[in-house]
Amino acid sequence: NAGVTQTPKFQVLKTGQSMTLQCAQDMNHNSMYWYRQDPGMGLRLIYYSASEGTTDKGEVPNGYNVSRLNKREFSLRLESAAPSQTSVYFCASSDGTGLANYGYTFGSGTRLTVV
Amino acid sequence: AQSVTQPDIHITVSEGASLELRCNYSYGATPYLFWYVQSPGQGLQLLLKYFSGDTLVQGIKGFEAEFKRSQSSFNLRKPSVHWSDAAEYFCAVGPQWDKFYFGSGTKLNVKP
Repeated sequence: NAGVTQTPKFQVLKTGQSMTLQCAQDMNHNSMYWYRQDPGMGLRLIYYSASEGTTDKGEVPNGYNVSRLNKREFSLRLESAAPSQTSVYFCASSDGTGLANYGYTFGSGTRLTVV
Repeated sequence: AQSVTQPDIHITVSEGASLELRCNYSYGATPYLFWYVQSPGQGLQLLLKYFSGDTLVQGIKGFEAEFKRSQSSFNLRKPSVHWSDAAEYFCAVGPQWDKFYFGSGTKLNVKP
């Protein structure tokens, strides 16, 4: 029962480097999300995808891009990393098609440090 | 605007004592409310959720929460805390266009 899988778990980047965070879910969920978690600020939504082929900005999209490659996969790209993007990144998915299914399933996170 | 406030950043309780974590929300429609728990280095796990009906909901690990519409609150409770409950707890409200809003979290320490 894999649920939501994120890779990598840890990453150190130099300022200006680019990288892609990968996320895949095996629950046939329609909706997928990327959050960042910073101390004292809870989780803030970066981007989300309500269904395959659609993506929308969340609260803090600047400096990021996303791709919903297919129903299973939703990647987050940092084109030119900045120290302000040092954070823990969580991917989540949700069925969202019925009341009983609301609520996220989270991945275990990617801890990113930009130096 | 939708928002969630968790007024307590840190809480310390003794093992075996009761626990209440506070959550207040601002939401324009009928809220769906959630509590998640995050153990160190882990992702978030759903503890319980409220959609409608009985305002006292039971969750996993012996937790419960009570929805009080008049107070815009959804406080999490546990009668007797175990050392393994030490974690960070997040309240969330939604959905708005399939998005959920999280509080800033409450870190729970458990004294032996």
